[in-house]
Amino acid sequence: NAGVTQTPKFQVLKTGQSMTLQCAQDMNHEYMSWYRQDPGMGLRLIHYSVGAGITDQGEVPNGYNVSRSTTEDFPLRLLSAAPSQTSVYFCASSPLGMNNSPLHFGNGTRLTVT
Amino acid sequence: EDQVTQSPEALRLQEGESSSLNCSYTVSGLRGLFWYRQDPGKGPEFLFTLYSAGEEKEKERLKATLTKKESFLHITAPKPEDSATYLCALYVDSNYQLIWGAGTKLIIKP
Repeated sequence: NAGVTQTPKFQVLKTGQSMTLQCAQDMNHEYMSWYRQDPGMGLRLIHYSVGAGITDQGEVPNGYNVSRSTTEDFPLRLLSAAPSQTSVYFCASSPLGMNNSPLHFGNGTRLTVT
Repeated sequence: EDQVTQSPEALRLQEGESSSLNCSYTVSGLRGLFWYRQDPGKGPEFLFTLYSAGEEKEKERLKATLTKKESFLHITAPKPEDSATYLCALYVDSNYQLIWGAGTKLIIKP
């Protein structure tokens, strides 16, 4: 049972480059989300989705795009990388009903933008 | 503004030395408080959900409690394998967003 799978684990980009972080889950969860984690700060929500074809912005959406064409996949696109986007990115999923359905996290992608 | 603060930022204990981690909050309407454990290089792993003041949950050496202003994660007779960063998160409304604390890094020395 794979759970939430993120690829790649590590990535180095130059300023201005674009890339896509992949996230897939095999638990048939409706809700999927992307977070970034920076030292000394709590996890911050970038974008989330409550089902195929439905996405919405979180706390820090600027510079990122998402789409949800299937229940399983929720890729995060960086349009033009900036050093401020250096961070660890986590994908998480859960059944709908946030107050009683804990999030299942992937193991993260560590991104460095130079 | 809804806020969550975890303290201390880091805690070093000897094996067997019991202590508590704190998650204090000011929110307008708490619907659930979550505790997660995060190991280095891994994603957070769910531990507990608490819903109302007075509620307690236990798992092995961990016990989580909740009041109207804060939650405690008590660790009894910890072992080195309990070393991790412990995160709390609050669900306060219905827009599918959680408010996360910055975490407490717990180090248990043998």
